[in-house]
Amino acid sequence: GENVEQHPSTLSVQEGDSAVIKCTYSDSASNYFPWYKQELGKGPQLIIDIRSNVGEKKDQRIAVTLNKTAKHFSLHITETQPEDSAVYFCAASIGTNTGNQFYFGTGTSLTVIP
Amino acid sequence: NAGVMQNPRHLVRRRGQEARLRCSPMKGHSHVYWYRQLPEEGLKFMVYLQKENIIDESGMPKERFSAEFPKEGPSILRIQQVVRGDSAAYFCASSPEKGRGVKTQYFGPGTRLLVL
Repeated sequence: GENVEQHPSTLSVQEGDSAVIKCTYSDSASNYFPWYKQELGKGPQLIIDIRSNVGEKKDQRIAVTLNKTAKHFSLHITETQPEDSAVYFCAASIGTNTGNQFYFGTGTSLTVIP
Repeated sequence: NAGVMQNPRHLVRRRGQEARLRCSPMKGHSHVYWYRQLPEEGLKFMVYLQKENIIDESGMPKERFSAEFPKEGPSILRIQQVVRGDSAAYFCASSPEKGRGVKTQYFGPGTRLLVL
């Protein structure tokens, strides 16, 4: 099955700096890569996703890049703010038209220092 | 449009009791997924259901765990004879039926199960 690895496990940045989280996956058939933000005591919230026919996607301060050849994808958060502090999870899915399970990384705990 | 609803949010059970976790998907969504999250770990897939059908239960333990998604009402994850190792956060996600390719999954707030 698919194996998703995520690094780093913890990340501290100064407010205003950028944060980068990296994930690798093992199954070349994976074609959908969402990123979720989880705050303490809450469920994961989708923040951005990318499909395998796209190399990069941006939404305001958040961007995701995908390198299919190397089988890795990254989350970039620019101009970080204290409210960006949370645990971030990447995931990969071998999608079909009837849906499929997501394989999650182990998470990155991001702390933005004011 | 209300999000994914889960209840209860917190559940305490003694060893040997039964735990019932409920999930109501977003309006218009007919696919439900259950995931388990152990402390400081990622989410692990358990089971995928559509109305009245289990599509994929490859991540669910063969014993004591069962799931259903009836024609009417919420999806239910049932854990019989709970043990301390079942203590975890259980998340439900839903996705729409229509559309091509992988469907985005939207997560509920989770049920935190504590087994004493």
